[in-house]
Amino acid sequence: GNSVTQMEGPVTLSEEAFLTINCTYTATGYPSLFWYVQYPGEGLQLLLKATKADDKGSNKGFEATYRKETTSFHLEKGSVQVSDSAVYFCALTGNTGGFKTIFGAGTRLFVKA
Amino acid sequence: GAGVSQSPSNKVTEKGKDVELRCDPISGHTALYWYRQSLGQGLEFLIYFQGNSAPDKSGLPSDRFSAERTGGSVSTLTIQRTQQEDSAVYLCASLPFGGETDTQYFGPGTRLTVL
Repeated sequence: GNSVTQMEGPVTLSEEAFLTINCTYTATGYPSLFWYVQYPGEGLQLLLKATKADDKGSNKGFEATYRKETTSFHLEKGSVQVSDSAVYFCALTGNTGGFKTIFGAGTRLFVKA
Repeated sequence: GAGVSQSPSNKVTEKGKDVELRCDPISGHTALYWYRQSLGQGLEFLIYFQGNSAPDKSGLPSDRFSAERTGGSVSTLTIQRTQQEDSAVYLCASLPFGGETDTQYFGPGTRLTVL
């Protein structure tokens, strides 16, 4: 079945540091890939998505590129801010056998001033 | 317009009691998910409704869990004879169409505590 694996946290960075959160997946067919974010005390919300190979999703300075050859969708940001402290979830929605979405375990990011 | 709403926001119950959790999706959204998020854990898929199709119940952890979606709108997740391991945040998400490119819109969750 489909699966998503993302790096374990917590990740602690200083403000303005470079961020990478790794995400790899296993899926049949051509899934869509997502990053969702959960800020402290708030609900989950979409950060960015990519729906086909080589697409790059971007939002709020975050980027992720859909790499089919490496089955990856790593999240990157060039310069993190304290306000980026949150839990980040990688997810995929398959396009075969139904459209069930699978989430990774989440990676907690702490950004220090 | 209004987002996804869930009620109650918090529920404390005694072991062995039944509970009902409600989700009001965004109007017009045809697909709806229920997830469970235990402390410090990821999202565990429970059940998925897509239009008038039979729901995908493959994530329900036991027969004590059931869910229905009436009239393609409001959904209720019922947990019978609650156990302490059922304590978690239960999240609902709705989607416009439920296709593979769709974004999920999450509600704020219901925090369930079983004493």
